[in-house]
Amino acid sequence: DGGITQSPKYLFRKEGQNVTLSCEQNLNHDAMYWYRQDPGQGLRLIYYSQIVNDFQKGDIAEGYSVSREKKESFPLTVTSAQKNPTAFYLCASSWGQGAREQYFGPGTRLTVT
Amino acid sequence: QQQVKQSPQSLIVQKGGISIINCAYENTAFDYFPWYQQFPGKGPALLIAIRPDVSEKKEGRFTISFNKSAKQFSLHIMDSQPGDSATYFCAASGDSNYKLTFGKGTLLTVNP
Repeated sequence: DGGITQSPKYLFRKEGQNVTLSCEQNLNHDAMYWYRQDPGQGLRLIYYSQIVNDFQKGDIAEGYSVSREKKESFPLTVTSAQKNPTAFYLCASSWGQGAREQYFGPGTRLTVT
Repeated sequence: QQQVKQSPQSLIVQKGGISIINCAYENTAFDYFPWYQQFPGKGPALLIAIRPDVSEKKEGRFTISFNKSAKQFSLHIMDSQPGDSATYFCAASGDSNYKLTFGKGTLLTVNP
């Protein structure tokens, strides 16, 4: 089945630890995105990548880092510099090259205590 | 700065009724307007989308109405069903990076 996989579904970490969230897609999409969702806040863009080995900051990139070494993978690291890391994190992908439709993964709920 | 304003925050509709969710945008460069449906604990799913060259798009019970001059667009759900109970997000994009700007969402509850 084609789709976007995010793992794990739930993640718990202690404050001060870095944590990496996985996102894999087998849709052959060029572009990938990371969003953060907080209650009542909608979805906010953290980072996006339109092509392998290239990525851009979104609206709330501080405290996060990404890599795009392979077309199908776009991991997100939540660093200890992120002041409020507890949130629902969503990965999405699209064809790019003018295609606007973004398709989302199932999300990872990160809780930092 | 919120570029896409969505209302209402929550909506309760009886089964069989019409659900209407509204969005307004500021950036005149936006030229793609999708709606997403999200169930609790799941990722959003693309429901329907419109571009400004048409004023309305219908897919089954879901219709987008678009008013370019007013910079507004809305989602109408006809014959609303309890299974439609979810959070709905409008979004917009228009720059060359195809970033989506989302509204804050509307929690729809359809009572049986």
